Amino acid sequence: GDSVTQMEGPVTLSEEACLTINCTYTATGYPSLFWYVQYPGEGLQLLLKATKADDKGSNKGFEATYRKETTSFHLEKGSVQVSDSAVYFCALSDVMFSGGYNKLIFGAGTRLAVHP
Amino acid sequence: ETGVTQSPTHLIKTRGQQVTLRCSSQSGHNTVSWYQQALGQGPQFIFQYYREEENGRGNFPPRFSGLQFPNYSSELNVNALELDDSALYLCASSLEAGRQETQYFGPGTRLLVL
Repeated sequence: GDSVTQMEGPVTLSEEACLTINCTYTATGYPSLFWYVQYPGEGLQLLLKATKADDKGSNKGFEATYRKETTSFHLEKGSVQVSDSAVYFCALSDVMFSGGYNKLIFGAGTRLAVHP
Repeated sequence: ETGVTQSPTHLIKTRGQQVTLRCSSQSGHNTVSWYQQALGQGPQFIFQYYREEENGRGNFPPRFSGLQFPNYSSELNVNALELDDSALYLCASSLEAGRQETQYFGPGTRLLVL
């Protein structure tokens, strides 16, 4: 079945460093791809999304490009801040045509810690 | 615009008991999905409700059940609680089902089973 694999954490960076969190996926169809962020003790917040190949999603300085040829959707940011410390989840939207529903399949999450 | 809300925020139950969790969807959204997030893991899909009907289910036993009401709010019921049911339960709403709509999450209900 469909799946998402993301790099293991924790990732520890100094403020203003560059960030890359790798995400690859396996899917039989043409899923939409998402990055969600979870701050301590909270639910998931949508960070960005891309719905088709070569689309670039961006938000709050983060960006990710839907690469169909490498089945990847890596998250990048040029200069991280302490406030970016959180757990980041890569996900794909799997549309089940037989049941008419769609579900999100998540990676295991990558914890990011940014120090001053 | 009101986002997705969930209640209660925290809950402690003992093994064998039953629990009901509640979710109000974002305004204009008719589809609600429920996920279970165990500690240190990514969320796992439980089921989805669309216009008051369950239209999709993940790999969870029948003791996990749900409802959706005419105002599109939803409940998750878990019977015969087990220790492994301890997790963060997340509700997400979206505009439609069966399409690649973005799902917007609530803050979650943290359930501890003793």
